[in-house]
Amino acid sequence: GEDVEQSLFLSVREGDSSVINCTYTDSSSTYLYWYKQEPGAGLQLLTYIFSNMDMKQDQRLTVLLNKKDKHLSLRIADTQTGDSAIYFCAESCDNYGQNFVFGPGTRLSVLP
Amino acid sequence: DVKVTQSSRYLVKRTGEKVFLECVQDMDHENMFWYRQDPGLGLRLIYFSYDVKMKEKGDIPEGYSVSREKKERFSLILESASTNQTSMYLCASSLGQYNEQFFGPGTRLTVL
Repeated sequence: GEDVEQSLFLSVREGDSSVINCTYTDSSSTYLYWYKQEPGAGLQLLTYIFSNMDMKQDQRLTVLLNKKDKHLSLRIADTQTGDSAIYFCAESCDNYGQNFVFGPGTRLSVLP
Repeated sequence: DVKVTQSSRYLVKRTGEKVFLECVQDMDHENMFWYRQDPGLGLRLIYFSYDVKMKEKGDIPEGYSVSREKKERFSLILESASTNQTSMYLCASSLGQYNEQFFGPGTRLTVL
């Protein structure tokens, strides 16, 4: 079945860039997503990328997609303490794009 | 703004009790989902529903059932709670294909 993998933890210093990596298995995924979960809250969509794109930029966020290697990354520029959260990578995993498979989440800690 | 609400933020039940978790969305979304979230495992899909009275099993349906009698409400039922069902339960809804899933704040269930 489909599988999405991420490293579980990442620590960065405030002001540095953070790069969160994800690998997925379903080469037919049409969209790939990044969700953010702050403490005590549900998940919120941060950004997504269509599978025929290599890169998408949205303010401090840059998403890179390497479809050949099935590798997705999220770069956060000028990381702030408010960026501390768990970040989930997800792929749409069925022909209708209604079901997602989520990775285990990367807990980002931003150190002052 | 889409709002997904869950009936309880925290719930403590005893082994063998019947447990109901309620989820309500206010944006007329077709799809609704129940996930459980466990550290290091990410989100795992329990059940989902594409329409009223329709339900489909996800990856881990054992020990759970669901009910969708009205479009806006999706209930998760634990017929006889067990300690291995202690977890965070997240409800989500989406409009249709490839659309963002909107999440509720989660219910942290502890089964003693």
